[in-house]
Amino acid sequence: GDSVTQMEGPVTLSEEAFLTINCTYTATGYPSLFWYVQYPGEGLQLLLKATKADDKGSNKGFEATYRKETTSFHLEKGSVQVSDSAVYFCALRKASGGYQKVTFGTGTKLQVIP
Amino acid sequence: GAGVSQTPSNKVTEKGKYVELRCDPISGHTALYWYRQSLGQGPEFLIYFQGTGAADDSGLPNDRFFAVRPEGSVSTLKIQRTERGDSAVYLCASSAGLAGDGGHTDTQYFGPGTRLTVL
Repeated sequence: GDSVTQMEGPVTLSEEAFLTINCTYTATGYPSLFWYVQYPGEGLQLLLKATKADDKGSNKGFEATYRKETTSFHLEKGSVQVSDSAVYFCALRKASGGYQKVTFGTGTKLQVIP
Repeated sequence: GAGVSQTPSNKVTEKGKYVELRCDPISGHTALYWYRQSLGQGPEFLIYFQGTGAADDSGLPNDRFFAVRPEGSVSTLKIQRTERGDSAVYLCASSAGLAGDGGHTDTQYFGPGTRLTVL
């Protein structure tokens, strides 16, 4: 079945450091890929998405590129802030036939210290 | 506008009891999803409604779990004879249900979840 593997946390960085959270996937067909973020005490929010190979999703300084050849969708940010502290989930969704089930990774907790 | 809301935010119950969890989707959204998030894990799909019907209930773990959406808006997840292993955060999401482009533009919006604790 479909699956998503992301790097284990927690990840602790100093403010303004460079962030990479690795994500790889296994799926048949052509899934759409997503990063969701869960801030403390809040619900899941869509951070960015990419719907086909080589697409780059970006939002709030975060970006991720859909790499079909390596089945990866790594999340990056050039300079993290304390406010970026949250749990980040990589996810996939099948793109065909209106199939709507989203498969999530286990999440990576990011802590940014001043 | 209003997002997805879920009630209650917390529910503590005893083993063997029956519980109902409610989800109010974004107005006009035809698609509704339930997920379960155990501690330290990502959300796991339970069931998907398109309108009033359950289009995919393959994620329901067993027949103690049931969900309804009688009028195509509010949904209730029902758990009978609760077990300690049912303790988790239950998330609801809704989307506009756009399917014309294979769902590419159909973003799911999540509610804050209901934290269920079975003692």
